[in-house]
Amino acid sequence: AQKITQTQPGMFVQEKEAVTLDCTYDTSDQSYGLFWYKQPSSGEMIFLIYQGSYDEQNATEGRYSLNFQKARKSANLVISASQLGDSAMYFCAIVPSGSARQLTFGSGTQLTVLP
Amino acid sequence: GAVVSQHPSWVICKSGTSVKIECRSLDFQATTMFWYRQFPKQSLMLMATSNEGSKATYEQGVEKDKFLINHASLTLSTLTVTSAHPEDSSFYICSAREGTGGSKTEAFFGQGTRLTVV
Repeated sequence: AQKITQTQPGMFVQEKEAVTLDCTYDTSDQSYGLFWYKQPSSGEMIFLIYQGSYDEQNATEGRYSLNFQKARKSANLVISASQLGDSAMYFCAIVPSGSARQLTFGSGTQLTVLP
Repeated sequence: GAVVSQHPSWVICKSGTSVKIECRSLDFQATTMFWYRQFPKQSLMLMATSNEGSKATYEQGVEKDKFLINHASLTLSTLTVTSAHPEDSSFYICSAREGTGGSKTEAFFGQGTRLTVV
């Protein structure tokens, strides 16, 4: 079984500053993938970034980077140079490798970017 | 990237009626699709796994006779909320992954359907 814990229900950040959204996970699988999704008020789920458990380097996608610490079972999302459009709900998710199983999501963090 | 289209994006129905929600993978074949339910300010909760050509697998506590899932082709899964009641009002969202999975296979999501039962 997998579990994702996001301990920050809400976060505020000033525009143009960086922000870190926390995510810790628990899994008995040796190989797994970690995802971050953004959900604006419209409801769509927007894929942001992926980290494989055996990837040696932290994933980066534009302004998004993932601070992956496998021993600590954490996969924090870092958003650099925040923009007003980044205000949304952010979900961390995990899926085991080798099957078409569903993602297990955390409870989410509501990020608000202040002008 | 791959696209998953969900329709309708919102629907209002009367209590006791049934509502069908469609989820289509537009440019890839999805042997497996997932249906989630999301209450306001909460996470996505998996309702069921839809398998092409076979019966859906429902999560514990989800009434399979109330939430009918049909995955008749590799590109279409439907969720029918039967005899809807106000407590069924929620945001329903589907997702699909290409091929047989593997952890790196990104899950693509539909736009979601906001159901309101009055």
